[in-house]
This record gives sequence, structure tokens and C-alpha cells, in this order.
Amino acid sequence: GENVEQHPSTLSVQEGDSAVIKCTYSDSASNYFPWYKQELGKGPQLIIDIRSNVGEKKDQRIAVTLNKTAKHFSLHITETQPEDSAVYFCAAGGADGLTFGKGTHLIIQP
Amino acid sequence: EPEVTQTPSHQVTQMGQEVILRCVPISNHLYFYWYRQILGQKVEFLVSFYNNEISEKSEIFDDQFSVERPDGSNFTLKIRSTKLEDSAMYFCASKRNAAYPYGYTFGSGTRLTVV
Repeated sequence: GENVEQHPSTLSVQEGDSAVIKCTYSDSASNYFPWYKQELGKGPQLIIDIRSNVGEKKDQRIAVTLNKTAKHFSLHITETQPEDSAVYFCAAGGADGLTFGKGTHLIIQP
Repeated sequence: EPEVTQTPSHQVTQMGQEVILRCVPISNHLYFYWYRQILGQKVEFLVSFYNNEISEKSEIFDDQFSVERPDGSNFTLKIRSTKLEDSAMYFCASKRNAAYPYGYTFGSGTRLTVV
């Protein structure tokens, strides 16, 4: 089955700086890589996703890169703001379901 | 924006009791999922459901678990005899089809506490 590793587990950055979270996956059949933001007591909210035929995708301050050869993908958040503080999960999979990483607690320091 | 709705938001149950967690997926979605998240841990896949049958399940989804789509709108997860270790957030998710985009929509979850 799929195995997703996510690093770091905690990331603290100054407001306005960039944050990068990295994930690796094991199953070459995975072709869908979403990123979720989870705030306390809430369900995962999709913030951006990428498919295996796209190398990079950007949406305002958020971007995701995918290296299918190396089986890793990353989330980049630029110009971080206090409301970016949350737990971020990467996931990998396809139609049958997703395997999640263990999450990164992103802390934005004022 | 369409939502996946889960009820109740919090359920407390005695060990050994049966619980049913309810979900109303987005109306035109065809694929349904249950995931769980033990406090402080990652989200784990339990089961996927399509065309009125289970399409995939994880090793967590043992004989104590079952899913059902009793009517055209609800999707339920039943735990027959709850154990303390079943305490977790349970998330329902749905998506429209198997093709692109794959976007899964998650509900806000049911916090199950087994005492």
C-alpha cells in the first residue's frame, strides 16, 4: 500500500516569511496529491491539489510542486499571515482513497 | 458551496455499545469514504464505497465496522461493539466521480468518545 512521509512535524516561521512542507510517497500508481489545512475541531479543508501530469501549480500565495520521478511533492506558502497557522496534511492516492501524511503544525509568529 | 454534513458532531458511548455515525454526502457525488483521526495523529483511511458496495477497506475496518447507504442521501458508519481505542474523530468524504478532478470534500467530523 501507499506510505506517505511528511516533514517537518512542526514549522515556526515569522509572519511574512515563506513556509515549505515536504512529502514523499511510495506508490508510483498514486496520481493525485492534495494538501489539506485543518483547524482545531474541524475537518480537513482542501487548499490545493496537483495531479501527476502537472509539475507545479500555484494559487495566489500557495504553490505545490511535484517530482514524480523522485516521488516527492511540496507545499510552499509565501508571505505567511497569522491565519495560516494550522495543521497541514499532504495526501497521496487516487480514485480509491487517500493516504495522509502525519501533518505539519505551522506556527506563524508575529 | 455544497457541503458534506455529519451528525452528531460529538457522540459519547459506553464501551461495548453500538454506534451509528451519519453522513449526508454532496447530492451528485457517487463515491463515499470514511476516515478516522485519533487525537494528535494523522487521518487514516477506513473504507470507500461506490455503487452500493465497498470498493476498498483498510486493515482498521474489521468485522466490527460496517457501512450502509440506506436511502438516496445518507451514508452511515456502524461500529457494532465499541472499544476504548475507537475513540477518534470520524470524517466522511465524498467525490463526484473517479475522473479528474479528484477533489474529495470532507465533512466536519464526528468526535466519538468511548468511555
